[in-house]
Amino acid sequence: KAGVTQTPRYLIKTRGQQVTLSCSPISGHRSVSWYQQTPGQGLQFLFEYFSETQRNKGNFPGRFSGRQFSNSRSEMNVSTLELGDSALYLCASSLEGVVSSSHNEQFFGPGTRLTVL
Amino acid sequence: GESVGLHLPTLSVQEGDNSIINCAYSNSASDYFIWYKQESGKGPQFIIDIRSNMDKRQGQRVTVLLNKTVKHLSLQIAATQPGDSAVYFCAENMEGGADGLTFGKGTHLIIQP
Repeated sequence: KAGVTQTPRYLIKTRGQQVTLSCSPISGHRSVSWYQQTPGQGLQFLFEYFSETQRNKGNFPGRFSGRQFSNSRSEMNVSTLELGDSALYLCASSLEGVVSSSHNEQFFGPGTRLTVL
Repeated sequence: GESVGLHLPTLSVQEGDNSIINCAYSNSASDYFIWYKQESGKGPQFIIDIRSNMDKRQGQRVTVLLNKTVKHLSLQIAATQPGDSAVYFCAENMEGGADGLTFGKGTHLIIQP
């Protein structure tokens, strides 16, 4: 079955702009998590959505937001972009989410490479 | 301020040898641990996981060892192949935790012919 897809794969923006990234999870998966990966900080958890509701949130400013649609597709938005937002943004889907008693495996997409100039 | 690049530990092994990648985790309350492999240009790929009620778990060519006393996790790869070249991350999670997965900084595994 098809894996996790993310669009766009590459994006260049300027400071102050806003950006929306999209993630389509594996069919049947209801949990979508977003991560930021940078050389300086490594992989950091942004938030998780489950059944259209944000279930968990990492330690990122309010400029980072997201949503999930009824078909489990998710988008994340970053407003007022800063140079430090340049990163690889990864989306991961799982059946029920890692934060559950069954610890469902997360499948990652290829990521969106965001460059802020 | 200026961000400092992450200097990943590097492990260089000969093709065919066994590789051991180590990870120290931070939260003694974590009860679930995962190893991921990330190849250049790709997202992390699940390798193997282990729960805190286990000390060892084996997969195909891989073994994960968990030492809760010293909060240490290791990944052993048998008969390392060129395709094993990647960055390897350990990740931890706490039952009911609200912080998603917490990832280690990663180790770059290089396979020499």
